[in-house]
Amino acid sequence: GDSVTQTEGPVTVSESESLIINCTYSATSIAYPNLFWYVRYPGEGLQLLLKVITAGQKGSSRGFEATYNKETTSFHLQKASVQESDSAVYYCALGDDSNNRIFFGDGTQLVVKP
Amino acid sequence: AQTIHQWPVAEIKAVGSPLSLGCTIKGKSSPNLYWYWQATGGTLQQLFYSITVGQVESVVQLNLSASRPKDDQFILSTEKLLLSHSGFYLCAWSGGNSDYTFGSGTRLLVI
Repeated sequence: GDSVTQTEGPVTVSESESLIINCTYSATSIAYPNLFWYVRYPGEGLQLLLKVITAGQKGSSRGFEATYNKETTSFHLQKASVQESDSAVYYCALGDDSNNRIFFGDGTQLVVKP
Repeated sequence: AQTIHQWPVAEIKAVGSPLSLGCTIKGKSSPNLYWYWQATGGTLQQLFYSITVGQVESVVQLNLSASRPKDDQFILSTEKLLLSHSGFYLCAWSGGNSDYTFGSGTRLLVI
């Protein structure tokens, strides 16, 4: 089936440390999967952080980046140096435009300590 | 600019009571509209989607229904709430090009 698996949270890192949140996907019935990272800051709605719709491409935003790797079916989120303001819940998602579907991972809570 | 507004922000309802959650999109004609639900500690699941007025497709059966009475409005409802309906409900729209915009959500507690 179609699904997303991501790092189980909470993930706790200290400010200025590097971060990686793993995401792998299964897209058995999706011809052209699109991949997303969404973020939900405390008290706010879900916001798009970055998206990549072409395998092999990298998306980046606010210092975060993720590469769409079709061979390993992965879309890991990385940041070289996190800030306290990055504390939030991060969701990896798999989109299927032809069927108007989007599948979310369980979300990873990131806690950045000052 | 497009805006998406969900209401109410939060609800506490009794088991067996009716529910109606709303979502309005402004600034975009003929959007694709979606409802998602997340149980506490659970995964965000897509419930319904609609690509045109009057047409709604069900993705997950949860004893809920959805309607799209106008181009810019998407309603989620049930006549009898269950405890299992508690959670977080999100509305979203897209232009059909992988750009999904989500509302701020409605927190529902069924007691």
